Amino acid sequence: SYELTQPLSVSVALGQTARISCGGNNIDRKSVHWYQQKPGQAPVLVIYRDTNRPSGIPERFSGSNSGGNTATLTISRAQAGDEAEYFCQLWDDTMIFGGGTKLTVL
Amino acid sequence: QVTLKESGPVLVKPTETLTLTCTVSGFPLSNSRMGVSWIRQPPGKALEWLAHIFSNGEESYSTSLKARLTISRDTSKSQVVLTMSNMDPIDTATYYCARIQNGYGGWVDYWGQGTLVTVSS
Repeated sequence: SYELTQPLSVSVALGQTARISCGGNNIDRKSVHWYQQKPGQAPVLVIYRDTNRPSGIPERFSGSNSGGNTATLTISRAQAGDEAEYFCQLWDDTMIFGGGTKLTVL
Repeated sequence: QVTLKESGPVLVKPTETLTLTCTVSGFPLSNSRMGVSWIRQPPGKALEWLAHIFSNGEESYSTSLKARLTISRDTSKSQVVLTMSNMDPIDTATYYCARIQNGYGGWVDYWGQGTLVTVSS
C-alpha cells in the first residue's frame, strides 16, 4: 500500500522559512493536500492540489510537488501562530495521510 | 454555511459495535462534486482515513479496516452513518466526519468538530 513519509519534527526561527516534506513513490504524479492542526482542534486545509491556497490562508503558505518523490509545504516568515502539526494527504485508491510533522517556531 | 456534526456514544465496550452519525448542513449529500469521509485520530497520533461515501452513493473503505466498517447515508435526513464492529481499546480516538471536495483525489474542505470515543470495559 502507498505510504507517505513526513519528518516527525521541524524547527524554524521566528521570521524564517520552514519547509516540511512529504515523501512518496512518484508523488509528483499525484495531487497533494496539506492540513494544519493545532492542539484540541480539527485540522484546517492550508494547501490543496499541490500549490493552491484556500481563501483565508496567508500567502506565506505555499506548496510544491514537482520533485519526483517529495512534495513540500513551505511557510515563509514563520510566526508563533504557525506552530502546529502538519499533515499531507493524497488518494491512491483510498485516502492516505502522512504521519504528521510537528512544527516548532523558536 | 456548511457544517458537519458527529454524534454517538462517548464510551463503548470491547467487542461492541460503534455507530456514529454525521449530520450535515449547507450542502446536499447528492452534490456531484462532494462526498463525506470518516477520519479518526488516536490521542497524540496521526490522522487515519476510515471510509468515504461518494455523491453517487458509492462506498470506499480503508483496506486494513474494511471488514469492520460500513458507511451509509440518508440523503433525506442529510446524515452519513458509520458503523465499526468488534471495537477494541486500540480504536480509542477522536472520530471526525469531513466533506471531501472534488471527489476522488480531492481534499477536506470542511471538518466536523470531532467526537472522542473511548473503548473500555
